Amino acid sequence: LAKTTQPISMDSYEGQEVNITCSHNNIATNDYITWYQQFPSQGPRFIIQGYKTKVKNEVASLFIPADRKSSTLSLPRVSLSDTAVYYCLVGEETGANNLFFGTGTRLTVIP
Amino acid sequence: DARVTQTPRHKVTEMGQEVTMRCQPILGHNTVFWYRQTMMQGLELLAYFRNRAPLDDSGMPKDRFSAEMPDATLATLKIQPSEPRDSAVYFCASGLTLRSGQYFGPGTRLTVT
Repeated sequence: LAKTTQPISMDSYEGQEVNITCSHNNIATNDYITWYQQFPSQGPRFIIQGYKTKVKNEVASLFIPADRKSSTLSLPRVSLSDTAVYYCLVGEETGANNLFFGTGTRLTVIP
Repeated sequence: DARVTQTPRHKVTEMGQEVTMRCQPILGHNTVFWYRQTMMQGLELLAYFRNRAPLDDSGMPKDRFSAEMPDATLATLKIQPSEPRDSAVYFCASGLTLRSGQYFGPGTRLTVT
């Protein structure tokens, strides 16, 4: 079971870039890394997924080093509306490892 | 914009009553998940289905919980009898595969008194 470790909370000022790192030392060869965002009173929302190197979409970037033992979610120029809990998941197609959310990182954006 | 829908959004019931929660996954998604979220336990996976067949329901208390997919457009989660400790937000999510991104519904907030 690929366990993930994230900081419990982070604070950031509006307009700054925020990087949230997730450790997954036991990641397996077939595992992918997926990040979700959850606002209060809503279900988690898929943000980005990657296997190695860098992935980017309109919301965020995901950086994965060569050893894949960690990953960093990067949110450019955060706004107050980015205040949420961010979850990192690691898992593969055939297993349930992808489906355990952990405690996540609570990001608070300060005006 | 395709979305997962869940009904009811809120449910208050007395201990011992049966509760049924419904979910309509996104059309074309063949993997459906049920989660429960509480402040103490966070998000817990209860069960998931692929092509309407249950793949894993080990996270579910078997004596009182049951999950089914009568057809591709409907997933149900039933609690009978309900207990106060079942109070939580229940989320349904759907996806194309286990590994692909999951798309969550708005949840059903259940309160058992």
